[in-house]
Amino acid sequence: DAGVTQSPTHLIKTRGQQVTLRCSPKSGHDTVSWYQQALGQGPQFIFQYYEEEERQRGNFPDRFSGHQFPNYSSELNVNALLLGDSALYLCASSLSDSSYEQYFGPGTRLTVT
Amino acid sequence: TQLLEQSPQFLSIQEGENLTVYCNSSSVFSSLQWYRQEPGEGPVLLVTVVTGGEVKKLKRLTFQFGDARKDSSLHITAAQTGDTGLYLCAGPNYGGSQGNLIFGKGTKLSVKP
Repeated sequence: DAGVTQSPTHLIKTRGQQVTLRCSPKSGHDTVSWYQQALGQGPQFIFQYYEEEERQRGNFPDRFSGHQFPNYSSELNVNALLLGDSALYLCASSLSDSSYEQYFGPGTRLTVT
Repeated sequence: TQLLEQSPQFLSIQEGENLTVYCNSSSVFSSLQWYRQEPGEGPVLLVTVVTGGEVKKLKRLTFQFGDARKDSSLHITAAQTGDTGLYLCAGPNYGGSQGNLIFGKGTKLSVKP
């Protein structure tokens, strides 16, 4: 049973560029959440997708956007990258009726130079 | 604003010692979760505590949820080098969907042989 997978593993971008990160949820899960984890910090909630729509959003600017596909996989897009966007981006999947229990992927390490 | 504060921030001990890490808030949480995260990996769910005063045991790990549901602790007996990692507590955000978790900054545990 495949767990949550994310790609790419690592990414280096320049300020002002755009980036797309990808996530495939755990088999049978229909909900995907994205988190940003800066160095030395706990993960911060970005947004959640369910039924191909953004269901909830954290305190992140509009430069952060996402998408969910019919097969439940998801993308996170960040435009106009800033140095402060350097972080580990985590995808978590769950069942829509689960009790907040989420399964996390290994993350994508984004470095903005 | 709901916040989860974890202490200590860093902990370095010898194999075989016991330790306790704490997760505190001024807010009431309907449940709290504990995750362990190893370098380069996503957080892995260890336990969810739901009822005030609840105690859960997972082999050498004992988790407790405070009576008022504002705090939790994790006690490890006879620590092993494999226990090394970042321990995160998390709780659901009021008004958030099931994916909107608030995390503490974590306790970084190092167990030396």
